[in-house]
Amino acid sequence: NAGVTQTPKFQVLKTGQSMTLQCAQDMNHNSMYWYRQDPGMGLRLIYYSASEGTTDKGEVPNGYNVSRLNKREFSLRLESAAPSQTSVYFCASRKGAGAAYNEQFFGPGTRLTVL
Amino acid sequence: AQRVTQPEKLLSVFKGAPVELKCNYSYSGSPELFWYVQYSRQRLQLLLRHISRESIKGFTADLNKGETSFHLKKPFAQEEDSAMYYCALSDRSGSARQLTFGSGTQLTVLP
Repeated sequence: NAGVTQTPKFQVLKTGQSMTLQCAQDMNHNSMYWYRQDPGMGLRLIYYSASEGTTDKGEVPNGYNVSRLNKREFSLRLESAAPSQTSVYFCASRKGAGAAYNEQFFGPGTRLTVL
Repeated sequence: AQRVTQPEKLLSVFKGAPVELKCNYSYSGSPELFWYVQYSRQRLQLLLRHISRESIKGFTADLNKGETSFHLKKPFAQEEDSAMYYCALSDRSGSARQLTFGSGTQLTVLP
């Protein structure tokens, strides 16, 4: 099992360009998450999907959209990139769909720079 | 609103010395606390959770509800413990179990 995979690993964009970050998991998990990691601020939740077909905003959703394409895949789209979106983006997944605890498993991250 | 505070951005100790990484939280409900670790060039991974009350790689953490703290401790630090450590909180009643992370502490264990 590859666990949680993310593509691309690195990306440089110019202000105003758009792109989609891809995330996939092969663990048959129900819940998936997108975080951004910034120096001195830890990880902040952008969007999450508690199950296939549902998505909800997290702490910092502005400037982003998501799609839960199927149970395996959860993509994050930047429609018009801004320098403030320069960050490392992490995808995570969790087996459960409800309140019962399951560990979140993280992908390797995508390092995005917006010039 | 829930909040996790890690007051130390950087922490350096010598090999064999005790180490304590501080974590304080604010939350009105019934939280579940975790420690995650990120070693250099590796992905973020769970180190331990307060409910399990176990020791992982020699690390322990006790939830102190009175002081709203969940400090991570190890009696004898090793060089391989050098990493970024994040304290995180999850709302047990939340349907999606979102995690709220602290800002992290970079631990360096010196030889």
